[in-house]
Amino acid sequence: GAVVSQHPSWVICKSGTSVKIECRSLDFQATTMFWYRQFPKQSLMLMATSNEGSKATYEQGVEKDKFLINHASLTLSTLTVTSAHPEDSSFYICSAGAGGLYEQYFGPGTRLTVT
Amino acid sequence: QQPVQSPQAVILREGEDAVINCSSSKALYSVHWYRQKHGEAPVFLMILLKGGEQKGHEKISASFNEKKQQSSLYLTASQLSYSGTYFCGTEGNQAGTALIFGKGTTLSVSS
Repeated sequence: GAVVSQHPSWVICKSGTSVKIECRSLDFQATTMFWYRQFPKQSLMLMATSNEGSKATYEQGVEKDKFLINHASLTLSTLTVTSAHPEDSSFYICSAGAGGLYEQYFGPGTRLTVT
Repeated sequence: QQPVQSPQAVILREGEDAVINCSSSKALYSVHWYRQKHGEAPVFLMILLKGGEQKGHEKISASFNEKKQQSSLYLTASQLSYSGTYFCGTEGNQAGTALIFGKGTTLSVSS
């Protein structure tokens, strides 16, 4: 099956700093990538949808100036959490799809802890 | 709108069966089922497209009733490895859109 990687796997940062998370599709071109956030014992909540070469579409309640998404190529999307706060601590998961009827392939996730 | 999963939790012994339901108030294009182990990313199980199809993989199968906007996941002769949280993800009007996940059903299988 298709492989999606995320980097880093986990990160601890201080409050006020910014963190960048990368999502890569390793063996296919992802026209669309999705970013989800999952708090402990909760479901995955969609944050934004990004299409290569265009601006991301954010879900209601997600601050686009705080969670910067860049989908620079068909294999790479990045999520930057700016001025991170402890309440941003969460499991961030990306998924990539080739469009149409294809399943979405999830990355392994990035656990962010803000101290 | 978030689909509703039921039950919230199931406890089984090895070899027993379980059914997990997922229902939506909106018309669906497809339903995706995932299983997630603690601390790991979700793992894809299957997709069901509108048309009322049924799919299966080994002892896990699922059905999708487009008219009722419901899907059910059937786990037969459960194994210890089936333990985890099962999420249904629904896709709205067209293919390739983001999934909206239910709150999940936690399945615990013991020997």
